Amino acid sequence: SAVISQKPSRDICQRGTSLTIQCQVDSQVTMMFWYRQQPGQSLTLIATANQGSEATYESGFVIDKFPISRPNLTFSTLTVSNMSPEDSSIYLCSVVGTGVGNTIYFGEGSWLTVV
Amino acid sequence: AQKITQTQPGMFVQEKEAVTLDCTYDTSDQSYGLFWYKQPSSGEMIFLIYQGSYDEQNATEGRYSLNFQKARKSANLVISASQLGDSAMYFCAMREGGAGGFKTIFGAGTRLFVKA
Repeated sequence: SAVISQKPSRDICQRGTSLTIQCQVDSQVTMMFWYRQQPGQSLTLIATANQGSEATYESGFVIDKFPISRPNLTFSTLTVSNMSPEDSSIYLCSVVGTGVGNTIYFGEGSWLTVV
Repeated sequence: AQKITQTQPGMFVQEKEAVTLDCTYDTSDQSYGLFWYKQPSSGEMIFLIYQGSYDEQNATEGRYSLNFQKARKSANLVISASQLGDSAMYFCAMREGGAGGFKTIFGAGTRLFVKA
């Protein structure tokens, strides 16, 4: 499986500010996904990030709030804009691996707390 | 509508015993994949096991096996010889074929507690 690194691993953010999460993969991957996991909840897909095109957002998520960049095949960023306490979550980057079943593999996650 | 249902919010198991975590799914696709992930308190998501919809044999990976009953649309995870380190959240997930592409959706999860 690919090695996926996320930064920051944790942060405490002020209400109204924005934070950019970076995701770096050690190999070229076509598709990257960003998930959100609110406290005590399951994972919810925010968007699919493909290189060279706009990200595709899931219902309930909009580009103005969660802008995504995908400048190349090994890197992506997710920005959480104008944060409120409801944005306190783990944000996870994932990629499709080369193993069976197109399994997706995850980075370590970025724990954001908005105060 | 829920596509992945995990009905057990929490489960307890004695160390060294086996435990089954339930998962049912809903899809009209013929081609799909089913996955289980483990999430310890550190927050990372660890891939455990995969079952393809066309696979005739149940998947196994070490102490993990997937009890796949296609007609019942269930994909239960069986952990044999539980260890204290197995205490974690476990998520069942599904990837549908067709227009869904590689999008993987997750169930609500089951928290497993292994008792010494």
